[in-house]
Amino acid sequence: DGGITQSPKYLFRKEGQNVTLSCEQNLNHDAMYWYRQDPGQGLRLIYYSQIVNDFQKGDIAEGYSVSREKKESFPLTVTSAQKNPTAFYLCASSGRSGDPTDTQYFGPGTRLTVL
Amino acid sequence: AQSVAQPEDQVNVAEGNPLTVKCTYSVSGNPYLFWYVQYPNRGLQFLLKYITGDNLVKGSYGFEAEFNKSQTSFHLKKPSALVSDSALYFCAVSEYMDTGRRALTFGSGTRLQVQP
Repeated sequence: DGGITQSPKYLFRKEGQNVTLSCEQNLNHDAMYWYRQDPGQGLRLIYYSQIVNDFQKGDIAEGYSVSREKKESFPLTVTSAQKNPTAFYLCASSGRSGDPTDTQYFGPGTRLTVL
Repeated sequence: AQSVAQPEDQVNVAEGNPLTVKCTYSVSGNPYLFWYVQYPNRGLQFLLKYITGDNLVKGSYGFEAEFNKSQTSFHLKKPSALVSDSALYFCAVSEYMDTGRRALTFGSGTRLQVQP
Protein backbone atom coordinates (compact mmCIF):
# COMPACT_ATOMS: atom_id res chain seq x y z
CA ASP A 1 0.00 0.00 0.00
CA GLY A 2 3.06 2.24 0.13
CA GLY A 3 2.66 5.91 0.92
CA ILE A 4 -1.06 6.18 0.22
CA THR A 5 -3.49 6.32 3.12
CA GLN A 6 -7.26 6.15 2.99
CA SER A 7 -9.65 6.83 5.82
CA PRO A 8 -11.84 5.62 7.25
CA LYS A 9 -11.40 1.91 6.60
CA TYR A 10 -15.14 1.29 7.08
CA LEU A 11 -17.90 3.86 6.61
CA PHE A 12 -21.63 3.58 7.10
CA ARG A 13 -24.02 6.02 5.49
CA LYS A 14 -27.69 6.59 5.95
CA GLU A 15 -29.96 7.24 3.00
CA GLY A 16 -29.78 10.89 1.88
CA GLN A 17 -26.42 11.64 3.51
CA ASN A 18 -23.29 12.91 1.81
CA VAL A 19 -20.05 11.32 2.97
CA THR A 20 -16.42 12.16 2.21
CA LEU A 21 -13.65 9.61 1.79
CA SER A 22 -10.12 10.76 2.45
CA CYS A 23 -7.06 9.93 0.31
CA GLU A 24 -3.57 11.24 1.11
CA GLN A 25 -0.24 10.38 -0.52
CA ASN A 26 3.31 11.26 0.47
CA LEU A 27 4.92 9.95 -2.72
CA ASN A 28 5.06 13.38 -4.39
CA HIS A 29 2.96 11.96 -7.23
CA ASP A 30 1.30 14.31 -9.70
CA ALA A 31 -1.69 12.16 -10.64
CA MET A 32 -4.38 10.69 -8.39
CA TYR A 33 -7.38 8.48 -9.10
CA TRP A 34 -10.55 7.13 -7.52
CA TYR A 35 -11.92 3.71 -8.43
CA ARG A 36 -14.99 1.82 -7.33
CA GLN A 37 -14.84 -1.97 -6.90
CA ASP A 38 -17.95 -4.15 -6.99
CA PRO A 39 -17.89 -7.96 -6.82
CA GLY A 40 -17.27 -9.56 -10.22
CA GLN A 41 -16.87 -6.23 -12.03
CA GLY A 42 -13.25 -5.29 -11.48
CA LEU A 43 -12.41 -1.64 -10.87
CA ARG A 44 -14.18 1.29 -12.53
CA LEU A 45 -12.76 4.81 -12.75
CA ILE A 46 -14.76 7.52 -10.97
CA TYR A 47 -12.54 10.62 -11.21
CA TYR A 48 -8.90 11.38 -11.85
CA SER A 49 -6.64 14.38 -11.39
CA GLN A 50 -3.40 14.95 -13.26
CA ILE A 51 -2.45 18.16 -11.49
CA VAL A 52 -3.48 20.34 -8.57
CA ASN A 53 -6.73 22.27 -9.09
CA ASP A 54 -7.70 20.11 -12.06
CA PHE A 55 -9.72 16.90 -12.28
CA GLN A 56 -11.63 14.94 -14.90
CA LYS A 57 -14.64 12.65 -14.85
CA GLY A 58 -14.08 8.95 -15.30
CA ASP A 59 -16.59 6.35 -16.47
CA ILE A 60 -18.98 6.47 -13.50
CA ALA A 61 -18.76 10.04 -12.11
CA GLU A 62 -22.49 10.60 -11.56
CA GLY A 63 -23.30 11.06 -7.89
CA TYR A 64 -19.67 11.74 -6.92
CA SER A 65 -17.58 14.89 -6.52
CA VAL A 66 -13.88 15.53 -5.87
CA SER A 67 -11.43 18.34 -5.18
CA ARG A 68 -7.66 18.65 -5.60
CA GLU A 69 -6.56 21.69 -3.63
CA LYS A 70 -3.26 20.12 -2.55
CA LYS A 71 -0.91 17.81 -4.39
CA GLU A 72 -1.03 15.19 -1.64
CA SER A 73 -4.80 15.10 -1.12
CA PHE A 74 -7.72 13.97 -3.31
CA PRO A 75 -10.94 13.56 -1.27
CA LEU A 76 -14.03 11.92 -2.76
CA THR A 77 -17.56 12.90 -1.75
CA VAL A 78 -20.33 10.39 -2.29
CA THR A 79 -23.51 12.42 -2.60
CA SER A 80 -27.11 11.44 -2.01
CA ALA A 81 -27.52 11.43 -5.80
CA GLN A 82 -25.47 8.21 -6.00
CA LYS A 83 -28.20 5.57 -6.01
CA ASN A 84 -26.12 2.52 -5.19
CA PRO A 85 -23.06 3.67 -3.25
CA THR A 86 -22.34 0.47 -1.33
CA ALA A 87 -18.92 -0.62 -2.64
CA PHE A 88 -15.19 -0.76 -1.96
CA TYR A 89 -13.48 2.50 -2.91
CA LEU A 90 -9.83 2.59 -3.91
CA CYS A 91 -7.57 5.59 -4.32
CA ALA A 92 -4.43 5.42 -6.44
CA SER A 93 -1.61 7.69 -7.52
CA SER A 94 1.09 7.75 -10.18
CA GLY A 95 4.17 9.89 -10.58
CA ARG A 96 3.85 11.25 -14.09
CA SER A 97 0.66 12.91 -15.28
CA GLY A 98 -0.67 11.69 -18.61
CA ASP A 99 1.87 8.89 -19.00
CA PRO A 100 0.06 5.59 -19.64
CA THR A 101 3.25 3.59 -18.98
CA ASP A 102 3.49 4.83 -15.40
CA THR A 103 2.50 2.45 -12.61
CA GLN A 104 -0.44 3.32 -10.40
CA TYR A 105 -0.05 2.55 -6.69
CA PHE A 106 -3.09 1.91 -4.54
CA GLY A 107 -4.22 2.74 -1.05
CA PRO A 108 -5.80 0.17 1.32
CA GLY A 109 -9.38 1.13 0.41
CA THR A 110 -12.55 2.29 2.17
CA ARG A 111 -15.59 0.03 2.39
CA LEU A 112 -18.78 2.10 2.25
CA THR A 113 -22.08 0.58 3.30
CA VAL A 114 -25.46 2.27 3.02
CA LEU A 115 -27.80 1.43 5.87
CA ALA B 1 -12.00 1.78 -26.67
CA GLN B 2 -9.58 -0.30 -24.69
CA SER B 3 -10.77 -3.44 -22.93
CA VAL B 4 -9.46 -6.40 -20.96
CA ALA B 5 -10.88 -9.89 -20.55
CA GLN B 6 -10.04 -12.40 -17.86
CA PRO B 7 -11.91 -15.48 -19.02
CA GLU B 8 -11.64 -17.48 -15.79
CA ASP B 9 -13.42 -16.38 -12.64
CA GLN B 10 -11.39 -18.86 -10.61
CA VAL B 11 -8.25 -20.94 -11.08
CA ASN B 12 -7.44 -23.87 -8.80
CA VAL B 13 -3.94 -25.30 -8.58
CA ALA B 14 -2.06 -27.56 -6.18
CA GLU B 15 0.86 -26.16 -4.24
CA GLY B 16 4.12 -26.72 -6.09
CA ASN B 17 2.46 -26.91 -9.50
CA PRO B 18 2.84 -24.21 -12.15
CA LEU B 19 0.04 -21.67 -12.43
CA THR B 20 -1.32 -19.55 -15.27
CA VAL B 21 -3.87 -16.76 -15.03
CA LYS B 22 -5.14 -15.67 -18.43
CA CYS B 23 -5.65 -12.17 -19.81
CA THR B 24 -6.51 -10.88 -23.27
CA TYR B 25 -6.76 -7.25 -24.30
CA SER B 26 -8.02 -4.92 -27.02
CA VAL B 27 -6.55 -1.49 -27.78
CA SER B 28 -6.26 0.80 -30.78
CA GLY B 29 -2.55 1.53 -30.44
CA ASN B 30 0.35 0.13 -28.44
CA PRO B 31 -0.77 -1.66 -25.27
CA TYR B 32 0.75 -1.09 -21.87
CA LEU B 33 -0.18 -4.03 -19.66
CA PHE B 34 -0.19 -4.47 -15.91
CA TRP B 35 -0.87 -7.21 -13.35
CA TYR B 36 -2.02 -6.48 -9.81
CA VAL B 37 -2.86 -8.75 -6.86
CA GLN B 38 -5.44 -8.08 -4.16
CA TYR B 39 -5.69 -9.82 -0.78
CA PRO B 40 -9.03 -9.74 1.10
CA ASN B 41 -10.13 -6.24 2.14
CA ARG B 42 -6.85 -4.74 0.94
CA GLY B 43 -5.76 -2.44 -1.85
CA LEU B 44 -4.14 -3.63 -5.07
CA GLN B 45 -0.44 -4.47 -5.12
CA PHE B 46 1.55 -4.01 -8.32
CA LEU B 47 3.18 -7.21 -9.65
CA LEU B 48 4.63 -6.35 -13.06
CA LYS B 49 4.10 -4.47 -16.30
CA TYR B 50 4.89 -4.70 -19.99
CA ILE B 51 5.80 -1.50 -21.82
CA THR B 52 8.05 -2.59 -24.67
CA GLY B 53 10.94 -4.93 -25.41
CA ASP B 54 11.29 -8.49 -24.13
CA ASN B 55 8.01 -10.37 -24.28
CA LEU B 56 8.71 -12.15 -20.99
CA VAL B 57 8.39 -9.79 -18.04
CA LYS B 58 9.55 -10.74 -14.56
CA GLY B 59 7.91 -9.26 -11.49
CA SER B 60 7.49 -9.53 -7.75
CA TYR B 61 7.14 -12.76 -5.70
CA GLY B 62 8.40 -14.99 -8.54
CA PHE B 63 5.64 -14.06 -10.97
CA GLU B 64 6.22 -13.47 -14.66
CA ALA B 65 4.01 -12.68 -17.64
CA GLU B 66 4.29 -13.34 -21.33
CA PHE B 67 3.20 -10.73 -23.85
CA ASN B 68 1.90 -12.18 -27.11
CA LYS B 69 1.00 -9.52 -29.67
CA SER B 70 -0.50 -11.87 -32.26
CA GLN B 71 -2.83 -13.43 -29.69
CA THR B 72 -3.35 -10.12 -27.83
CA SER B 73 -2.64 -11.90 -24.58
CA PHE B 74 -0.69 -11.19 -21.41
CA HIS B 75 -0.90 -14.32 -19.25
CA LEU B 76 0.46 -14.32 -15.71
CA LYS B 77 2.59 -17.32 -14.74
CA LYS B 78 4.53 -18.79 -11.85
CA PRO B 79 6.61 -21.98 -12.02
CA SER B 80 5.67 -23.24 -8.54
CA ALA B 81 2.55 -22.05 -6.71
CA LEU B 82 2.44 -21.31 -2.98
CA VAL B 83 -0.62 -21.40 -0.73
CA SER B 84 0.15 -17.75 0.07
CA ASP B 85 -0.39 -16.90 -3.63
CA SER B 86 -4.14 -17.43 -3.11
CA ALA B 87 -5.70 -14.03 -3.89
CA LEU B 88 -7.59 -12.04 -6.51
CA TYR B 89 -5.57 -11.10 -9.60
CA PHE B 90 -6.34 -8.23 -11.95
CA CYS B 91 -5.02 -7.58 -15.44
CA ALA B 92 -5.15 -3.95 -16.68
CA VAL B 93 -4.31 -2.08 -19.88
CA SER B 94 -3.61 1.52 -20.80
CA GLU B 95 -2.67 3.38 -23.97
CA TYR B 96 -2.08 6.89 -25.23
CA MET B 97 -5.33 8.65 -26.01
CA ASP B 98 -5.80 11.68 -28.26
CA THR B 99 -8.06 13.21 -25.64
CA GLY B 100 -5.18 13.26 -23.17
CA ARG B 101 -7.12 11.02 -20.84
CA ARG B 102 -4.98 8.75 -18.78
CA ALA B 103 -7.07 5.65 -18.19
CA LEU B 104 -6.28 2.24 -16.77
CA THR B 105 -8.92 -0.36 -17.73
CA PHE B 106 -9.19 -3.42 -15.51
CA GLY B 107 -10.40 -6.93 -16.15
CA SER B 108 -13.02 -8.44 -13.87
CA GLY B 109 -10.46 -10.36 -11.86
CA THR B 110 -9.50 -14.02 -11.41
CA ARG B 111 -9.51 -15.69 -8.03
CA LEU B 112 -6.52 -17.99 -7.59
CA GLN B 113 -6.91 -20.79 -5.07
CA VAL B 114 -3.80 -22.82 -4.24
CA GLN B 115 -4.50 -26.05 -2.39
CA PRO B 116 -1.93 -27.46 0.06
